[in-house]
Amino acid sequence: EAGVAQSPRYKIIEKRQSVAFWCNPISGHATLYWYQQILGQGPKLLIQFQNNGVVDDSQLPKDRFSAERLKGVDSTLKIQPAKLEDSAVYLCASSSTEYAGGQFFGPGTRLTVL
Amino acid sequence: DAKTTQPTSMDCAEGRAANLPCNHSTISGNEYVYWYRQIHSQGPQYIIHGLKNNETNEMASLIITEDRKSSTLILPHATLRDTAVYYCIVRAPYGQNFVFGPGTRLSVLP
Repeated sequence: EAGVAQSPRYKIIEKRQSVAFWCNPISGHATLYWYQQILGQGPKLLIQFQNNGVVDDSQLPKDRFSAERLKGVDSTLKIQPAKLEDSAVYLCASSSTEYAGGQFFGPGTRLTVL
Repeated sequence: DAKTTQPTSMDCAEGRAANLPCNHSTISGNEYVYWYRQIHSQGPQYIIHGLKNNETNEMASLIITEDRKSSTLILPHATLRDTAVYYCIVRAPYGQNFVFGPGTRLSVLP
């Protein structure tokens, strides 16, 4: 079974530029999550989708971050404009609501904002 | 905020058992204990979870105290590849979010 795919793996941009990350979850997983992980900390949930609807985006900085999951499969997370403090690893995870075992994570995208 | 407390770091000799403790004194009756680990430059990896009975799989064993206020993850024969940050999380199942704390950084030493 293929895992969660993310791209790109690394991205370097200057502040005030925009950037987008892509995630392809495990086939059949209805729930998709985006996390932000700052160096030395645990992952922090940004947004959760159930199919193509948003379940929780309470910690998403909506003035600069946006996310969508068209057709309930792939998802894109965008930052516009980026700030220095957005430097982090952005992790995508997916889960099947029928499975209590938890979430499966992708390898993440490491973003550096200069 | 995370509902668990873990030591910041631990060392373990290669080939020995690694016992990672976790306190979750405010756990609710329907909340499970989950363990994940994160190897450097990778996404978190699921290890094991349990409700109140002890659990074992090919990776580890999970021992939950009778009052469910604490648990221990046991890696029976630690290898260098087990060096990682280990996260203990409590949550109700089926779609609720995981809240990650800082975890325990386990270093397996040769």
